[in-house]
Amino acid sequence: GAGVSQSPRYKVAKRGQDVALRCDPISGHVSLFWYQQALGQGPEFLTYFQNEAQLDKSGLPSDRFFAERPEGSVSTLKIQRTQQEDSAVYLCASTPGPGGDYGYTFGSGTRLTVV
Amino acid sequence: GESVGLHLPTLSVQEGDNSIINCAYSNSASDYFIWYKQESGKGPQFIIDIRSNMDKRQGQRVTVLLNKTVKHLSLQIAATQPGDSAVYFCAENPYNFNKFYFGSGTKLNVKP
Repeated sequence: GAGVSQSPRYKVAKRGQDVALRCDPISGHVSLFWYQQALGQGPEFLTYFQNEAQLDKSGLPSDRFFAERPEGSVSTLKIQRTQQEDSAVYLCASTPGPGGDYGYTFGSGTRLTVV
Repeated sequence: GESVGLHLPTLSVQEGDNSIINCAYSNSASDYFIWYKQESGKGPQFIIDIRSNMDKRQGQRVTVLLNKTVKHLSLQIAATQPGDSAVYFCAENPYNFNKFYFGSGTKLNVKP
């Protein structure tokens, strides 16, 4: 597709449930990023992939968060045993080359609500 | 759809006026900055960038000013239009290009 695609668009999870969020980056984009955006705040970095390699996961808030990009294209962000503080919009972005030079192309995000 | 503008500082301008949105960044080592626009229910959209070796950069209807002495960025939008209504974030990149740190955002409300 022409842009970054994320699914599902909305997800409601019961506390303790596991969830998986999907990101389809722009075809051929080398770099992929996940950000978390709480309501009324700016996005916060979670993790960065260059092709299939996860080069930076310093922003993952706990070991309940796990991300993968096994073939260097589609990525999945998994959250285990969800808690209410995980409620946020999860944004995926991609760039053609290494890193974020010249800015990201973001997807529309997945809004996760934990009840 | 969801709102990204709750509890954010709001700037209200009349259509046709110029808008100035300000941002204080935190890291003196940051050498690359981007302004993003985020409409409700959408991801942030790149507007304009500037590197630390510049103090001004112009795009179409937008200008970014960088003052490294006081760690301040501003975004100027000329002849503001209703379609400019959104939340605007500045983002700074220290040391490398692998992550950006976003500010808390300013909501721009353009009155017709």
